[in-house]
Amino acid sequence: GNSVTQMEGPVTLSEEAFLTINCTYTATGYPSLFWYVQYPGEGLQLLLKATKADDKGSNKGFEATYRKETTSFHLEKGSVQVSDSAVYFCALSDRGTASKLTFGTGTRLQVTL
Amino acid sequence: DVKVTQSSRYLVKRTGEKVFLECVQDMDHENMFWYRQDPGLGLRLIYFSYDVKMKEKGDIPEGYSVSREKKERFSLILESASTNQTSMYLCASRSTGADTEAFFGQGTRLTVV
Repeated sequence: GNSVTQMEGPVTLSEEAFLTINCTYTATGYPSLFWYVQYPGEGLQLLLKATKADDKGSNKGFEATYRKETTSFHLEKGSVQVSDSAVYFCALSDRGTASKLTFGTGTRLQVTL
Repeated sequence: DVKVTQSSRYLVKRTGEKVFLECVQDMDHENMFWYRQDPGLGLRLIYFSYDVKMKEKGDIPEGYSVSREKKERFSLILESASTNQTSMYLCASRSTGADTEAFFGQGTRLTVV
């Protein structure tokens, strides 16, 4: 079946540091890949997505590239801010599974001044 | 502004009670989902529905049932609440397609005592 593996948190960084959150996946076929973010006290919201190999998704300074050869979709940001403190979820959707999303366990990011 | 609305942010129920969690979306989406979120376990799919009166079990359906009588409304039912069902419950909706965005409600934190 489908699965998503994320690096465990929490990740603690100083403001303006470089961020990488690793994500690898297992899926049949060619899934679409997503990063969702959950700010404190809120539901999840889409951060970025990529739908085919070598696509790069980007939003709010975050980027992730769909790497089919390594089955990875790592999230990066060049300079984090305190306001980026949240839980980040990697997810995939397989065309054969009726629009279901499979999520990783989430990575908590804490950014300090 | 598109919305997925969950009826309660916080609920406290007694062991053995029948509990209803309600979710309404205003985007005319075919697909609706109930997830459970627990620390270290990420989001786990309980049930989903791809059309009115249609439902499928997710990864952890035991102890739960669902109802979808109208397209916009998807209810999660705990037939006899137990303490191990204390959790955060998230509803989501999504149009059909592997690359579409899922929209989440703010979550219901349920405590069973």
